Amino acid sequence: EADIYQTPRYLVIGTGKKITLECSQTMGHDKMYWYQQDPGMELHLIHYSYGVNSTEKGDLSSESTVSRIRTEHFPLTLESARPSHTSQYLCASSALGGREETQYFGPGTRLLVL
Amino acid sequence: GQNIDQPTEMTATEGAIVQINCTYQTSGFNGLFWYQQHAGEAPTFLSYNVLDGLEEKGRFSSFLSRSKGYSYLLLKELQMKDSASYLCAVRKGNTDKLIFGTGTRLQVFP
Repeated sequence: EADIYQTPRYLVIGTGKKITLECSQTMGHDKMYWYQQDPGMELHLIHYSYGVNSTEKGDLSSESTVSRIRTEHFPLTLESARPSHTSQYLCASSALGGREETQYFGPGTRLLVL
Repeated sequence: GQNIDQPTEMTATEGAIVQINCTYQTSGFNGLFWYQQHAGEAPTFLSYNVLDGLEEKGRFSSFLSRSKGYSYLLLKELQMKDSASYLCAVRKGNTDKLIFGTGTRLQVFP
């Protein structure tokens, strides 16, 4: 069972607000990821990190930013939310090395920007 | 480029067997994953294949043919709780990035 947590689970917010989506894992995983998923669509990688102070942009361009100050914590921030940011945001983590490096997902945050 | 194809929807009867296919084209290959995702929930890991052949895990099995760019997930003795989307994801060579398909929504009927 993966121990990865996301808060809030649901968020409804007005245009222009700054928001931070939290993601924490207690497995000591070095690698962490953020994906964006619209209903019925595939997951798209928007950010990833290989460890503390390491952050990279993913394959899908995103106006969000991330930080990795602690191994267990990988928050995602939107400085000014817009309706186009409405989506589900999924955080995942995996251990460095090993045969599989399976990514384990958190429960997700459903964001609605009005 | 990368391309992953799966059927959009499938239906099956409780107790039956269903096979969900996935074909892929990637610029490099370093493993294929199957995830299960119930509506509104996070994907959960089901299986991983990096070599050709069949991997069996209880009621679920996954097969890979790298030369054909093809995998399938086999679900036996279907249960109602197996109604979910099944996501095929390919890891690109020399990276750990996953490229996901759009998923196959499976509905199991009594």
